[in-house]
Amino acid sequence: EAEVAQSPRYKITEKSQAVAFWCDPISGHATLYWYRQILGQGPELLVQFQDESVVDDSQLPKDRFSAERLKGVDSTLKIQPAELGDSAMYLCASSFPSVDEQFFGPGTRLTVL
Amino acid sequence: GDSVTQMEGPVTLSEEAFLTINCTYTATGYPSLFWYVQYPGEGLQLLLKATKADDKGSNKGFEATYRKETTSFHLEKGSVQVSDSAVYFCALRSYGNKLVFGAGTILRVKS
Repeated sequence: EAEVAQSPRYKITEKSQAVAFWCDPISGHATLYWYRQILGQGPELLVQFQDESVVDDSQLPKDRFSAERLKGVDSTLKIQPAELGDSAMYLCASSFPSVDEQFFGPGTRLTVL
Repeated sequence: GDSVTQMEGPVTLSEEAFLTINCTYTATGYPSLFWYVQYPGEGLQLLLKATKADDKGSNKGFEATYRKETTSFHLEKGSVQVSDSAVYFCALRSYGNKLVFGAGTILRVKS
């Protein structure tokens, strides 16, 4: 069964360092989402791609976060510099365009010390 | 903006007990509604969904009915098992196809 792949699964870093997360969506899924899930809360959308284009990054803290999907397939989310408040689970999801169901990867758990 | 409110947990039940997790929403129009489940250490899995009023979504013994009059989508299961222990998230499909989630409800089932 096709799955969304994410790496690393866990990342521990010190504040002010740079971190990057990678996501490989299900083959054929043109829409890719990055969500942030703070402990005890539901996921919140950070950025949404349609192919290689950003369609929604209204909740992405652009002073420190960046996301790219250069060839419209896999994607990278970067944080530079990391802050203590960035500790969270970062979830990637993918779907066919305008289709309800989103498929989620296992997530990357980030701890900033 | 769109929002989802679900009952706070944790909910602790004995095996074979009846489960209800309440979920209400605020949105423009009639969005598709979802329940996702997150097992420890894993990502979210779609449990069930409903796309229009009065639809009932069901899967693995879980059910939820889309009630537009009460803007609710409560999750129910007649007899829970220890393996149902997880975090359950209610969500709606908002503009641009993004999902808006509730805060999640922890379910613990004791044998």
